[in-house]
Amino acid sequence: GAVVSQHPSWVICKSGTSVKIECRSLDFQATTMFWYRQFPKQSLMLMATSNEGSKATYEQGVEKDKFLINHASLTLSTLTVTSAHPEDSSFYICSATGVETQYFGPGTRLLVL
Amino acid sequence: QQQVKQSPQSLIVQKGGISIINCAYENTAFDYFPWYQQFPGKGPALLIAIRPDVSEKKEGRFTISFNKSAKQFSLHIMDSQPGDSATYFCAASRMRGAQKLVFGQGTRLTINP
Repeated sequence: GAVVSQHPSWVICKSGTSVKIECRSLDFQATTMFWYRQFPKQSLMLMATSNEGSKATYEQGVEKDKFLINHASLTLSTLTVTSAHPEDSSFYICSATGVETQYFGPGTRLLVL
Repeated sequence: QQQVKQSPQSLIVQKGGISIINCAYENTAFDYFPWYQQFPGKGPALLIAIRPDVSEKKEGRFTISFNKSAKQFSLHIMDSQPGDSATYFCAASRMRGAQKLVFGQGTRLTINP
């Protein structure tokens, strides 16, 4: 149980385009999901907290207009990287809250050319 | 006060040995301390977690030791195996589930055969 999926697992896009990443809790409902960003050989950096039916809460320094988060249902949250640039290339990971803890997705590798 | 400090940054252990990773926190409001294992290109997976009302928790070869007065906790991997080679992150939060996790910097563990 407690499986979280992400789609796509990797994406390559041109600079200036937008990319949408989906995070789904497959066998449980999650009122709260988190989005993280991880650079190579670094720890996870929390970008935002996503609550079902309400606006996301962004961490300091994260541009909310660039990283659009939508949490339309108890099993789906999406992160859209708008007008992506090479510096947005990273590993994006979501997590969904269960009863006991956060369960993490497998991550999405984004490469912006 | 929100930081979780993790050491060492990297660790090499011989097969069959004991791997020990340490973490220290400052915020006494933290009351949930999980450890995550991450393989390259994958999302973190929960290994084991502890709450401050116990000093030790063991699950198979993995043990968490918790010292509330010192605000420190550690992960011990007994009989370390090459398959344990991964990056390990400690974390802390104020409550299980829906609260933000504060991650340590990570420890890259290599088990030599």
